[in-house]
Amino acid sequence: EAQVTQNPRYLITVTGKKLTVTCSQNMNHEYMSWYRQDPGLGLRQIYYSMNVEVTDKGDVPEGYKVSRKEKRNFPLILESPSPNQTSLYFCASSWGTGGRETQYFGPGTRLLVL
Amino acid sequence: QKEVEQDPGPLSVPEGAIVSLNCTYSNSAFQYFMWYRQYSRKGPELLMYTYSSGNKEDGRFTAQVDKSSKYISLFIRDSQPSDSATYLCAILTGNQFYFGTGTSLTVIP
Repeated sequence: EAQVTQNPRYLITVTGKKLTVTCSQNMNHEYMSWYRQDPGLGLRQIYYSMNVEVTDKGDVPEGYKVSRKEKRNFPLILESPSPNQTSLYFCASSWGTGGRETQYFGPGTRLLVL
Repeated sequence: QKEVEQDPGPLSVPEGAIVSLNCTYSNSAFQYFMWYRQYSRKGPELLMYTYSSGNKEDGRFTAQVDKSSKYISLFIRDSQPSDSATYLCAILTGNQFYFGTGTSLTVIP
């Protein structure tokens, strides 16, 4: 089954404790992206990657890091989480040039930073 | 100014009604226009996309883009209770996506 998986699905942590949210897709997509979704603000793009070792900032990259060492994986790293990073996070993937508009989203990761 | 503005709703309509969902955008360079549907506690799923002005139809759904007014719409005909969800407009320019804040729709049987 074609899918985007995220882990963990729920996470409670404390300020300053480094964490990683994993994202994996099995569709051989070139383009992968991370979003956060907040009430009243909608979905906002954090980082995206056009292919292995190619990443770029989205609208709200501050406080986040990403890496793309393999085509199927695109982890999101919070080196020192703060309460304002409490949010619902989505990973998405799509084809590269000529197919980016058709994004497939993961199920989401709900993060609470105390 | 936000890149994409979306009517927040919420909308509540009777089953069978025609629903109109709307967004405006600020940058005339935007290339692709999309509508996503998001059920509660799920990730968004793509409904339709288009890149040109005019209408695009898919079953009960019609996406409309007016580039001169920077206005995009989604029409749902013969709405069903299963259409109850949040609808997100989105725009792709270059490699970056911009989403509206979403409109919550409830279709009452």
